Amino acid sequence: AQKITQTQPGMFVQEKEAVTLDCTYDTSDPSYGLFWYKQPSSGEMIFLIYQGSYDQQNATEGRYSLNFQKARKSANLVISASQLGDSAMYFCAMREGTFGNEKLTFGTGTRLTIIP
Amino acid sequence: EAEVAQSPRYKITEKSQAVAFWCDPISGHATLYWYRQILGQGPELLVQFQDESVVDDSQLPKDRFSAERLKGVDSTLKIQPAELGDSAMYLCASSPGSNKWTQYFGPGTRLLVL
Repeated sequence: AQKITQTQPGMFVQEKEAVTLDCTYDTSDPSYGLFWYKQPSSGEMIFLIYQGSYDQQNATEGRYSLNFQKARKSANLVISASQLGDSAMYFCAMREGTFGNEKLTFGTGTRLTIIP
Repeated sequence: EAEVAQSPRYKITEKSQAVAFWCDPISGHATLYWYRQILGQGPELLVQFQDESVVDDSQLPKDRFSAERLKGVDSTLKIQPAELGDSAMYLCASSPGSNKWTQYFGPGTRLLVL
């Protein structure tokens, strides 16, 4: 079974609208974390947001928020008021394992295109 | 703002040649990772260092790939001989340790093997 599933290969969103990027995960590790990274066409992976499995509240970072639903094993990224610069690939990733021996598994990504 | 440095940014080589990539993590970051990202896919871990020690190299094709981090700071990833299927983006990342999980990535090296 895939550890990280991103079911939306591509999305087109009108500028200034909110967008939700889906991510579901599969793990039996009680301690894990979920990341979202942005990858523009230039190639670098930019860290956006992190949610630990024991965190009580959903993580937020500026226009980014993570809708963490533990029972459903989902960790969707919400971008509010989208901008043209948000056009990029977005990857969901899961951290498992103990500190110093952790593994990060990435999904296949969603290509987001913001339309002016 | 501190960044992970990688060089070269682009590399074109012929198959059977040797190539080497360099990574300088954010100062003070104990953990360093090398990932390979094939076009259209997410990154996959090749090797993980904690200081100068290899923590995980289970996905590293050891017949042709090698990695080292001799002084626990910068790192080199080598491929010898390169094959057509090695064409990919090679990403380096580092994390601070001390229960801080976030990995910070460098700009990557795009490798094309002809």
